[in-house]
Amino acid sequence: DTAVSQTPKYLVTQMGNDKSIKCEQNLGHDTMYWYKQDSKKFLKIMFSYNNKELIINETVPNRFSPKSPDKAHLNLHINSLELGDSAVYFCASSPAPGLRGRNYNEQFFGPGTRLTVL
Amino acid sequence: GEDVEQSLFLSVREGDSSVINCTYTDSSSTYLYWYKQEPGAGLQLLTYIFSNMDMKQDQRLTVLLNKKDKHLSLRIADTQTGDSAIYFCAENNYGQNFVFGPGTRLSVLP
Repeated sequence: DTAVSQTPKYLVTQMGNDKSIKCEQNLGHDTMYWYKQDSKKFLKIMFSYNNKELIINETVPNRFSPKSPDKAHLNLHINSLELGDSAVYFCASSPAPGLRGRNYNEQFFGPGTRLTVL
Repeated sequence: GEDVEQSLFLSVREGDSSVINCTYTDSSSTYLYWYKQEPGAGLQLLTYIFSNMDMKQDQRLTVLLNKKDKHLSLRIADTQTGDSAIYFCAENNYGQNFVFGPGTRLSVLP
């Protein structure tokens, strides 16, 4: 069973369009994240979200919005896509620290969605 | 703000040891992690170390932590072609948010 899944795996779209990327985790984790990985492989956190709090990286344009219908899902909606939005977007999840006796907080990553904006 | 730095590239010959270095700025970091990203895939946790430890060994992997200098290293013994990947250093402080380094691309030459 896939722990963290994302759809679609590839997304090619025109500039100006609105698109969504879906993420689901079946691990029962409390916190989910969205990361952007650019062409140089630099990984930047965009959002972290649990059922209490959304933390937004202040460098993320407000065209990007996370939507969480329930604890197992965190979708990423992007309005008015721009060329610079082309990247690989990774969803991740983590348990709350201390869950199940763990003292560390491992993140589990999805396989990524490669977004290409033309 | 917190920052994590790594050298971007490392090449080694098959069978040699690889050492990937990382420095971080947050002195309150409690856990430091090494993640591996293979081509076309997401990141997978390789190993982690708690900040009150100096060293952790797990089969071919050895993690060294110098908390005073805020320096973390990952040594891979007997490096194989399957070890070719990008290795990310990351830190967090019991909180939900991680700070990742830029990743070190390890190339293993035959």
